[in-house]
Amino acid sequence: NAGVMQNPRHLVRRRGQEARLRCSPVKGHSHVYWYRQLPEEGLKFMVYLQKENIIDESGMPKERFSAEFPKEGPSILRIQQVVRGDSAAYFCASSYGTGAYEQYFGPGTRLTVT
Amino acid sequence: AQKITQTQPGMFVQEKEAVTLDCTYDTSDPSYGLFWYKQPSSGEMIFLIYQGSYDQQNATEGRYSLNFQKARKSANLVISASQLGDSAMYFCAMRGGQAGNQFYFGTGTSLTVIP
Repeated sequence: NAGVMQNPRHLVRRRGQEARLRCSPVKGHSHVYWYRQLPEEGLKFMVYLQKENIIDESGMPKERFSAEFPKEGPSILRIQQVVRGDSAAYFCASSYGTGAYEQYFGPGTRLTVT
Repeated sequence: AQKITQTQPGMFVQEKEAVTLDCTYDTSDPSYGLFWYKQPSSGEMIFLIYQGSYDQQNATEGRYSLNFQKARKSANLVISASQLGDSAMYFCAMRGGQAGNQFYFGTGTSLTVIP
């Protein structure tokens, strides 16, 4: 009974490189959310996706960040041309539905940009 | 706009004692949900307890209870009989946004249980 899986757990990138973060939701969950946690802060919503659709991306930076949740395979958060300010923990969560359903969180990916 | 406020950056409690972690929220939505999550040093987010805005009774889950005061817009977490394993960051969160799809998190409270 696997929970939300994220990989890699730790990712180091040099400035200007691309970072790809993967998230496999709980089996049976079709709703995926991405959050960013900066040091000493709470989680900040980035994007909400269902299969093949971006539902709400109001928390995503306008440039360099993109997310997808294809019909098959994990959800991907992609950060192009990373900068030092992108260093953070990125959490993925999934839920069975919206509204009252709780979100189950993955262990997070810690991105360090050098 | 939705906002969650946790005013206690750090708290200490003696083992076996009870502790209350404060959380206040702001929303104009008539229907909302309030959640508490625990984040140990390993980093994962662990769901603890949920309170719906229309729930008549305060939520309880084992040693966790939520002191929900709707008029004051507060949703404090009470941990009874603290254990050493309770040492962690605790985040209060509120469900909101489009169709309730976003979670708004507070800045967290670091709880340390003293033996």
